[in-house]
Amino acid sequence: DTGVSQDPRHKITKRGQNVTFRCDPISEHNRLYWYRQTLGQGPEFLTYFQNEAQLEKSRLLSDRFSAERPKGSFSTLEIQRTEQGDSAMYLCASSSQPGLNRYTFGSGTRLTVV
Amino acid sequence: GQQLNQSPQSMFIQEGEDVSMNCTSSSIFNTWLWYKQDPGEGPVLLIALYKAGELTSNGRLTAQFGITRKDSFLNISASIPSDVGIYFCAGRGNRDDKIIFGKGTRLHILP
Repeated sequence: DTGVSQDPRHKITKRGQNVTFRCDPISEHNRLYWYRQTLGQGPEFLTYFQNEAQLEKSRLLSDRFSAERPKGSFSTLEIQRTEQGDSAMYLCASSSQPGLNRYTFGSGTRLTVV
Repeated sequence: GQQLNQSPQSMFIQEGEDVSMNCTSSSIFNTWLWYKQDPGEGPVLLIALYKAGELTSNGRLTAQFGITRKDSFLNISASIPSDVGIYFCAGRGNRDDKIIFGKGTRLHILP
């Protein structure tokens, strides 16, 4: 069990560029969640998957954001035409027992849009 | 939507002191969780609570699920330097499949 792995750890991009982040959950976990955390705030829910199905998307997830989990294992989060307001820590979490809500978080990807 | 109010926002304490922080929600929650986050890392689960009135300990940490199901508290006894960090409460409501987080309590320990 290597935990939840996120890549890259840091990303600096120019406004208007597209970025993609990857999350590898704990292997036997069928649920995968994406959260966004800005400075001084708690994590805010973006979306989650059960296996390959995307079951819920937050209103925070604008049309520029898309998440996939094609084979029910790793997931990607893409942001198109990045804006300065997208600068945040993007956290991925996974769980195996939905009813217990025991999420294991990765270390996050810190995005800075300049 | 559901909101969590966490207090205090920050605390400055002496090493060895006990700490208490709490969280209230605008609606009933079925699950309360407490996480700790160190700088540059993701949150780590400390304690999970699933029943109203439940009191659970994890070493020097104790947390309770409020009877009204709209609040929870976390106590840390005999604080040590490694307790420094941000503590988040999180909860799940009736109709939700995901957890929402409070804004955190920043714990600082003075030498």
